[in-house]
Amino acid sequence: DAGVIQSPRHEVTEMGQEVTLRCKLISGHNSLFWYRQTMMRGLELLIYFNNNVPIDDSGMPEDRFSAKMPNASFSTLKIQPSEPRDSAVYFCASSLGVGQGRNYGYTFGSGTRLTVV
Amino acid sequence: DQQVKQNSPSLSVQEGRISILNCDYTNSMFDYFLWYKKYPAEGPTFLISISSIKDKNEDGRFTVFLNKSAKHLSLHIVPSQPGDSAVYFCAASRLGSNYQLIWGAGTKLIIKP
Repeated sequence: DAGVIQSPRHEVTEMGQEVTLRCKLISGHNSLFWYRQTMMRGLELLIYFNNNVPIDDSGMPEDRFSAKMPNASFSTLKIQPSEPRDSAVYFCASSLGVGQGRNYGYTFGSGTRLTVV
Repeated sequence: DQQVKQNSPSLSVQEGRISILNCDYTNSMFDYFLWYKKYPAEGPTFLISISSIKDKNEDGRFTVFLNKSAKHLSLHIVPSQPGDSAVYFCAASRLGSNYQLIWGAGTKLIIKP
C-alpha cells in the first residue's frame, strides 16, 4: 500500500487565487482528517470525515475553506480566495475506523506546503 | 489554553544513550495518549500509545510511561540511534471525543554521533 498520498507537495500561489489540495486515502480506511500546521498554532484539526460524511468542520477557519469527499478514497480541500495567512503545511490523515485511529494512530500523508504571496 | 504541553523545544542526546521526552497535560478527561515522530518534509508517523488504565507500554526501544497523578507522560528511547533524530509530538485523546487529538508543540530530538 502506498500510504496516504497528497498532491501537490508544494504550491505557491498569489493572493486571491483558488487553491485545491488533494488527498488519496489508504484503501479500506474510512476516517479522514485534514490538519494544518503552522509555527504559531502547531497542528490544528480542520475537518473530519467518517464514511465520506463530514462529521466536524468546526476547525475550518473561514468560509473561504471547503472540503469534500466525493468518494471513499479521495478528498479535496479548497481555499478560495487564498490569503497570505493561509500559508502553512496542510496534512491529511486517515485511519481504519475512528476508534482505531484514536488509540493506534492515524496515517498521515507527506503534506502540502502552501505559500500564498 | 494549552492542554498538552511539551516544554522542551529541543533535546540533544549522545548516540547509544537514553533519550527522555516529556509531556504534561491538564485535562483529566484524557484517556489515551499517543506519540508521533516527524521527519522534515514528511507527515507525522505514529510511534506508540498508552491507555490511561496503564502506566507503561513498551515497544522495542520505545517505552512510554504515564503518571496520572502528575498528569505527565514520557517517552524513553533506549538506546538512541541517529535515525531517531526527528520532532516528537505528544497527543492526547479525550473520553467521549473519539477522533479529536490534542497535540503538543513538539520536541526536536537530535542524536549526536
